[in-house]
Amino acid sequence: SQQGEEDPQALSIQEGENATMNCSYKTSINNLQWYRQNSGRGLVHLILIRSNEREKHSGRLRVTLDTSKKSSSLLITASRAADTASYFCATAQGAQKLVFGQGTRLTINP
Amino acid sequence: EAQVTQNPRYLITVTGKKLTVTCSQNMNHEYMSWYRQDPGLGLRQIYYSMNVEVTDKGDVPEGYKVSRKEKRNFPLILESPSPNQTSLYFCASSLFGPIRPYGAFFGQGTRLTVV
Repeated sequence: SQQGEEDPQALSIQEGENATMNCSYKTSINNLQWYRQNSGRGLVHLILIRSNEREKHSGRLRVTLDTSKKSSSLLITASRAADTASYFCATAQGAQKLVFGQGTRLTINP
Repeated sequence: EAQVTQNPRYLITVTGKKLTVTCSQNMNHEYMSWYRQDPGLGLRQIYYSMNVEVTDKGDVPEGYKVSRKEKRNFPLILESPSPNQTSLYFCASSLFGPIRPYGAFFGQGTRLTVV
């Protein structure tokens, strides 16, 4: 079962522009995590936001969380070609299962 | 270097021939998990383990077995592989279970083809 759903499914922008992707989830959460996956490779943890936080920054990444709307967004500023990847949000389903959305495929055009 | 190591990276096998995909982590993590990734279906959890000798089913456990005899290792066993188990498999670990605020580390993946 998919807890998180990303939107859009695919996003193509020019290098230097900002990229925003969204995640919606269904049940209450303790934290929400964002991961990056380069084609066919393992996922890399980017950032985690706790349920009592509204915004978090890490380098060029900015994550927001709106628990009233059960949604989160990931903003990548000043995009680079190396940011081309798929991005997934993940939430805990119960105490023991980490569930991923289907991901947003981001393409940065030079 | 902190890492999750899966082996093999690529495997082609025949229907019914038992196989094991190994997973090892060097971070003393309690939580380990297996996922499969298929086009259009995203990542789906197969099994997870909260600690040594504690394992439980994820969303798609049919046709798979796991064991957690040591903290660092979490092998995935396919007793009788079938073509519908052709997929990209990932092992992951984290310090504690996902309800705690720790991110997961992923292995590089095992691309399995069953013919």
